Amino acid sequence: DARVTQTPRHKVTEMGQEVTMRCQPILGHNTVFWYRQTMMQGLELLAYFRNRAPLDDSGMPKDRFSAEMPDATLATLKIQPSEPRDSAVYFCASGSQNQYFGPGTRLTVL
Amino acid sequence: GQQLNQSPQSMFIQEGEDVSMNCTSSSIFNTWLWYKQDPGEGPVLLIALYKAGELTSNGRLTAQFGITRKDSFLNISASIPSDVGIYFCAGQLNSGGSNYKLTFGKGTLLTVNP
Repeated sequence: DARVTQTPRHKVTEMGQEVTMRCQPILGHNTVFWYRQTMMQGLELLAYFRNRAPLDDSGMPKDRFSAEMPDATLATLKIQPSEPRDSAVYFCASGSQNQYFGPGTRLTVL
Repeated sequence: GQQLNQSPQSMFIQEGEDVSMNCTSSSIFNTWLWYKQDPGEGPVLLIALYKAGELTSNGRLTAQFGITRKDSFLNISASIPSDVGIYFCAGQLNSGGSNYKLTFGKGTLLTVNP
């Protein structure tokens, strides 16, 4: 049963700390997306990669957020330094036309 | 940028009733997707629509891609308690095999009373 996995599922940290979220896309999917979900804004695209190369990161605050794909089985989203307004659920999805979502990382920045 | 208006925001229905929700866009999309999200989980893909006018079913779910390419609806027939959740529409431009970015509606919260 192929599915997207994400770690950690929950993260509580203090303002100023670095946060790293990880995603393993479905094997064979060459396009990976990072979304953020909040009550106010709903689901928003932060960035996406194809064949490990960034295609669009226009939704991502560049000063503190960075996204990478070190290899085809791992995508990372890093926030440094984290701020309370970053508190949200972060989803990874893989696929292209049809996108399949992971379970998300619920981030709380105190 | 593109915006999706999803309605209704919430619905309270009795088990066995049919449900309809829709999304409209200010601009065209080439693909429409419908997702369901349960609490604490990621959105799960229910139905994908690729062509204007297309009508697709998945069990008790039926969705249509509007002929103007600016709208889509989802129907759920004979609702059951496990249909409870938040339903999202998402549009994708997908021009020429690129630009797979999804634009999401704000969601419809469905509550089913047994």
